[in-house]
Amino acid sequence: AQTVTQSQPEMSVQEAETVTLSCTYDTSESDYYLFWYKQPPSRQMILVIRQEAYKQQNATENRFSVNFQKAAKSFSLKISDSQLGDAAMYFCALKTSYDKVIFGPGTSLSVIP
Amino acid sequence: GAGVSQSPRYKVAKRGQDVALRCDPISGHVSLFWYQQALGQGPEFLTYFQNEAQLDKSGLPSDRFFAERPEGSVSTLKIQRTQQEDSAVYLCASSLIGDRNTEAFFGQGTRLTVV
Repeated sequence: AQTVTQSQPEMSVQEAETVTLSCTYDTSESDYYLFWYKQPPSRQMILVIRQEAYKQQNATENRFSVNFQKAAKSFSLKISDSQLGDAAMYFCALKTSYDKVIFGPGTSLSVIP
Repeated sequence: GAGVSQSPRYKVAKRGQDVALRCDPISGHVSLFWYQQALGQGPEFLTYFQNEAQLDKSGLPSDRFFAERPEGSVSTLKIQRTQQEDSAVYLCASSLIGDRNTEAFFGQGTRLTVV
């Protein structure tokens, strides 16, 4: 069975500071993708960043980067220079087969002006 | 269309009533997914279509839930005899193909409240 765990229900960060959101997962598959999605109050699920399991290099998208530790099955998201618009629910997700994405329970991020 | 469109955005149903939720995927997208998101939780997979074929319905919680995509584009999720535990946001997503690397685009969801 595939599982995704996010141990931080809520996090807060000062504007312009850096915050790291944690995620661990479990799968017996060797080839898979990991994602971070952002869900603002509008409910629109937005893809933030993705990482392919066989790539050693950590993915980066502007202010967003990941720390992917395959052996530890850890996939944390770092947001640098936090902005007010970053406030949202963040979901870590795992995709092994073609048909489904398994989501974690989410972390609610608040950005303090 | 420009994105995945879901309707209605909000639905209030009396317990026991049947409801139908609509999803218009991005034109040309082969794969379509339905998810159920309870308040304060992550989305839970319900079912998956590739064109008109329903390839995985393992996440449907009971036989009161039924999904279809008869012409391989628009999909409808139907819930019969709604119960209070069905209250949730129902998210639809589509992607070009169902490959692991393919990004799924989500709609804004339908918030269903059963009273």
